[in-house]
Amino acid sequence: EIVLTQSPATLSLSPGERATLSCRASQSVSSYLAWYQQKPGQAPRLLIYDASNRATGIPARFSGSGSGTDFTLTISSLEPEDFAVYYCQQRSIFGPGTKVDIK
Amino acid sequence: QVQLQQWGAGLLKPSETLSLTCAVYGGSFSGYYWSWIRQPPGKGLEWIGEINHSGSTNYNPSLKSRVTISVDTSKNQFSLKLSSVTAADTAVYYCARYCSGGSCYVGRRFFPGGSRMAPTHDAFDIWGQGTMVTVSS
Repeated sequence: EIVLTQSPATLSLSPGERATLSCRASQSVSSYLAWYQQKPGQAPRLLIYDASNRATGIPARFSGSGSGTDFTLTISSLEPEDFAVYYCQQRSIFGPGTKVDIK
Repeated sequence: QVQLQQWGAGLLKPSETLSLTCAVYGGSFSGYYWSWIRQPPGKGLEWIGEINHSGSTNYNPSLKSRVTISVDTSKNQFSLKLSSVTAADTAVYYCARYCSGGSCYVGRRFFPGGSRMAPTHDAFDIWGQGTMVTVSS
C-alpha cells in the first residue's frame, strides 16, 4: 500500500510570503496526485489535480509540481484566507496534512 | 452544477449502526465512484469506501468487515452503514465524488502561452457538507 508523507507538519509564515509544501509517496504514483485545502468547519476543497492542474476557481497563486514520488504545492504569496490545512491524496490514501499558520 | 447533500443520525451509542445518506443533485450519477470519507476530531482524512452507479464497491480493508455502501439510482442517492460503532468511529463523515480515468473536467492545465481544460484522473472534486457523528454511551 502506498503511504503519503507530508512535510513540514506545520509551516508558520506571514501574509505575502511564499509557502512550499511537500508530499512524498512511498512508491511512484506517476502524476496522479491531488492537493486539497481545508479550513476549520469546512469540507476539503480540491486545489490541484494530476500534480499540476489547477481546479476551476482556484487562484493562480496556487501551483503544483512533481511526478513519481516527490510533489510540491506552492503558494506564491500567502493571502489571509490561505491559512489552513493542506492534504495530498492519491487514490484512497491521504497524507497527514500540513498546517499553514500565521507567524 | 453538481451538489451533494448528506444527512443521518448524529449521536449513536456503542454497538449501534451508523447510517448516512448522500443525494446527488444537478448532474449525472453514472460514470463516477461515489465515496465516503471521515475525519476524527483534530485528525486527518480517512477513506471509507466507494460505490458506482451499478453497485460495484470498494472498501477500506481496515473497515471492510463493518461497512456497507449501497446505491439507489432512482433517487441519485448512495448510503453508508457502519455497524458495531465505538468511540473510535466518532468523526465528521463526508460524501464525495471521485473522478478517475479522465471522467471529469474540473480545471485547466497551464503552459507557456495559454491553458486548456484538462480531465481528472484521480481526485475527489465535489464534497458534501459533512455530518458530525458522535458515539457515546
